[in-house]
Amino acid sequence: GAVVSQHPSWVICKSGTSVKIECRSLDFQATTMFWYRQFPKQSLMLMATSNEGSKATYEQGVEKDKFLINHASLTLSTLTVTSAHPEDSSFYICSADGQGYNEQFFGPGTRLTVL
Amino acid sequence: GQNIDQPTEMTATEGAIVQINCTYQTSGFNGLFWYQQHAGEAPTFLSYNVLDGLEEKGRFSSFLSRSKGYSYLLLKELQMKDSASYLCAPRPIESQGNLIFGKGTKLSVKP
Repeated sequence: GAVVSQHPSWVICKSGTSVKIECRSLDFQATTMFWYRQFPKQSLMLMATSNEGSKATYEQGVEKDKFLINHASLTLSTLTVTSAHPEDSSFYICSADGQGYNEQFFGPGTRLTVL
Repeated sequence: GQNIDQPTEMTATEGAIVQINCTYQTSGFNGLFWYQQHAGEAPTFLSYNVLDGLEEKGRFSSFLSRSKGYSYLLLKELQMKDSASYLCAPRPIESQGNLIFGKGTKLSVKP
């Protein structure tokens, strides 16, 4: 089956620094990737939709200048949390929508802790 | 808009059968997914329904009624490892393919 990887799986950083999270589709081309965030005991909330070669579409309330998304190829999307603060600590999960598939493939997630 | 309603928690016994219901309201509809999520992990795909009826896949089955905005996930022969959250996720037709997740149902399987 299709596999999506994320790197890193967890990261701890100081407040004010930037963190980049990579999402890769390993054996299929993903025209669209999605970035979700999940706080403890909460549902997954869509942050943005990333389309290869074009600008990401952000959900209402998500700051596009703070959460930079780049989908430079059909197998890679990156999320950069700029000037991270403790309230950004969360579980970030990407998913990919491969052409011809009837499911969305999720990466293993990245746990971000901002001190 | 979208509104997804699932029970918050359920408890069942090992070896039993449990049914997790989901009602949803979407302005348009392009299939409904069920995912399993263990604590601290990403969701894993269980099933996908786009037409009315029952889809069976081993110990897991999922049912959909589009006209009623209703779906359920049926888990048979419960095992301890089935203790997890189960997420009902409709795909709105107006979306770019993203799913809408409710808070999920936390299932606890006891011996």
